[in-house]
Amino acid sequence: GEDVEQSLFLSVREGDSSVINCTYTDSSSTYLYWYKQEPGAGLQLLTYIFSNMDMKQDQRLTVLLNKKDKHLSLRIADTQTGDSAIYFCAEILEGTDKLIFGTGTRLQVFP
Amino acid sequence: DARVTQTPRHKVTEMGQEVTMRCQPILGHNTVFWYRQTMMQGLELLAYFRNRAPLDDSGMPKDRFSAEMPDATLATLKIQPSEPRDSAVYFCASGLGQVQETQYFGPGTRLLVL
Repeated sequence: GEDVEQSLFLSVREGDSSVINCTYTDSSSTYLYWYKQEPGAGLQLLTYIFSNMDMKQDQRLTVLLNKKDKHLSLRIADTQTGDSAIYFCAEILEGTDKLIFGTGTRLQVFP
Repeated sequence: DARVTQTPRHKVTEMGQEVTMRCQPILGHNTVFWYRQTMMQGLELLAYFRNRAPLDDSGMPKDRFSAEMPDATLATLKIQPSEPRDSAVYFCASGLGQVQETQYFGPGTRLLVL
């Protein structure tokens, strides 16, 4: 199937690290993405990782990929209130341009 | 600052009416995607185009939905007749047509069918 699963909610204190997890199903996916959606807005690409990488770091964001378990995670260091949003992981099915999105994780950051 | 634009941003209509949503992709992008977002189904790909040709519309209900690209600067998504279950946010995204290239999303059209 094409189900990409995420936990629905995550609540963290400002300044702590957030870890958002994602399980995807297509082992042949070449690229995996993290998008952020703020209230009333479209999706904004945060970062992506190629399937031959285990880790990618971009400022406060760290992406970890475990291909064996088909598990993707996004770690946000020093989480800020402005990070409150819904985070979607997505995979590209091999040979297509089709992005399959996860269910989204709503991150709430409290002071 | 290049961005995808969508009109209208909000639309309220009655069941049975025709709805047309428009999208202007980023200049130079040759791939355009239409997505629908609902609480129950999440984000679903409805259709996408490359160089104005439809590549995949398998996610779109064929009996009432139609998507076109009259020219490279305009994509349209039409629902006729609309039904309450079509209420959702419809996003357009554009890209350069390469797998690793990001898709840039518009702000969406929030549709409510009464």
